[in-house]
Amino acid sequence: AQSVTQPDIHITVSEGASLELRCNYSYGATPYLFWYVQSPGQGLQLLLKYFSGDTLVQGIKGFEAEFKRSQSSFNLRKPSVHWSDAAEYFCAVGAVRGQNFVFGPGTRLSVLP
Amino acid sequence: AAGVIQSPRHLIKEKRETATLKCYPIPRHDTVYWYQQGPGQDPQFLISFYEKMQSDKGSIPDRFSAQQFSDYHSELNMSSLELGDSALYFCASSGRQGTYEQYFGPGTRLTVT
Repeated sequence: AQSVTQPDIHITVSEGASLELRCNYSYGATPYLFWYVQSPGQGLQLLLKYFSGDTLVQGIKGFEAEFKRSQSSFNLRKPSVHWSDAAEYFCAVGAVRGQNFVFGPGTRLSVLP
Repeated sequence: AAGVIQSPRHLIKEKRETATLKCYPIPRHDTVYWYQQGPGQDPQFLISFYEKMQSDKGSIPDRFSAQQFSDYHSELNMSSLELGDSALYFCASSGRQGTYEQYFGPGTRLTVT
């Protein structure tokens, strides 16, 4: 069965600092991997996705993520964090259409001014 | 661009009452997913439909049922509501082609008193 872990429950960074959020997955085949962001009381917005090809994927809002098969990881990065990036970030793994996503527990990002 | 529409956005019910949540997918999307997110939790998959047929089932209680209609909108019916059903309920949709990423609606916040 698929599973996703996000080792960091809460991360605090200063505005302008770089950011890396960790995600590890367990899946029997090549997974489809996603990062979503959720502001309080809001829906989930897709940041980026990986299906195949280039292991470094670019997303919206200046985020990128790197797929490392050997480490079963799909870490999210941003070179310079803005205060508006404060939110909950979820990593998810999916398989095929119609099948559910499995979400990680989420990492809450706080940004210091 | 059109997004997933959910109604109502907020719903307050008493224990043992029934509730119906509606989801209108992005135009030309044929797959709908329902998730439940408790406070401080990651989204938990309930059920999904592809071309109006149930395609996957997760941790949906027997008190809940759902269907997808000919216009691809979906309804989640919840009966004998319990206090523990209080949560954010998200609908997501995915398209006919490509990479099947799920696009989430803004959610319905259900409060059971």
